[in-house]
Amino acid sequence: NAGVTQTPKFRVLKTGQSMTLLCAQDMNHEYMYWYRQDPGMGLRLIHYSVGEGTTAKGEVPDGYNVSRLKKQNFLLGLESAAPSQTSVYFCASSWGTGSGDIQYFGAGTRLSVL
Amino acid sequence: AQSVAQPEDQVNVAEGNPLTVKCTYSVSGNPYLFWYVQYPNRGLQFLLKYITGDNLVKGSYGFEAEFNKSQTSFHLKKPSALVSDSALYFCAVGKTGANNLFFGTGTRLTVIP
Repeated sequence: NAGVTQTPKFRVLKTGQSMTLLCAQDMNHEYMYWYRQDPGMGLRLIHYSVGEGTTAKGEVPDGYNVSRLKKQNFLLGLESAAPSQTSVYFCASSWGTGSGDIQYFGAGTRLSVL
Repeated sequence: AQSVAQPEDQVNVAEGNPLTVKCTYSVSGNPYLFWYVQYPNRGLQFLLKYITGDNLVKGSYGFEAEFNKSQTSFHLKKPSALVSDSALYFCAVGKTGANNLFFGTGTRLTVIP
């Protein structure tokens, strides 16, 4: 039972490069989320999705785009990476609204932007 | 607006002693409150939640938390700490009608053998 799988686990980018982080869940969850974790700041929501084909902005959406073309996948894109985007990125999913339902997290992607 | 405060960045406790990790929240309306734990190089794992009902909530690995509406707190507790409890603990708050949770900044718990 894989749960929530994130790829890649590690990545180093140069400023201005682009990349896509992939999140896949096998629990048939409707809701999916992308967070970033920075020291002393906890987890901050970047974007989320309440179902296939939908996306919405979270607390810190600038510089990121997302897509949810399939229910099981949620992609996070960085079009032009900046050093401020160096962080650990976590994907999560839940059955219903993340405000009341348990969220299940992936193992994270550690991204460094030089 | 919703917010969560975890006033202690670090909590140290001796193995076998009781532990408390503090959390206070601010939200309009009735809160949904969660505790998650993060072990090194892992994602967050659910420990327990309060939605409604009994103010004392029991969760995984012997942890419990008490919802105190008057003090807007949701402190995490365990009667006897284990070395394996050493991890980063996050409190989170949500509310009816919202689609997401707000997380605190985390408290690092170290249990000393």
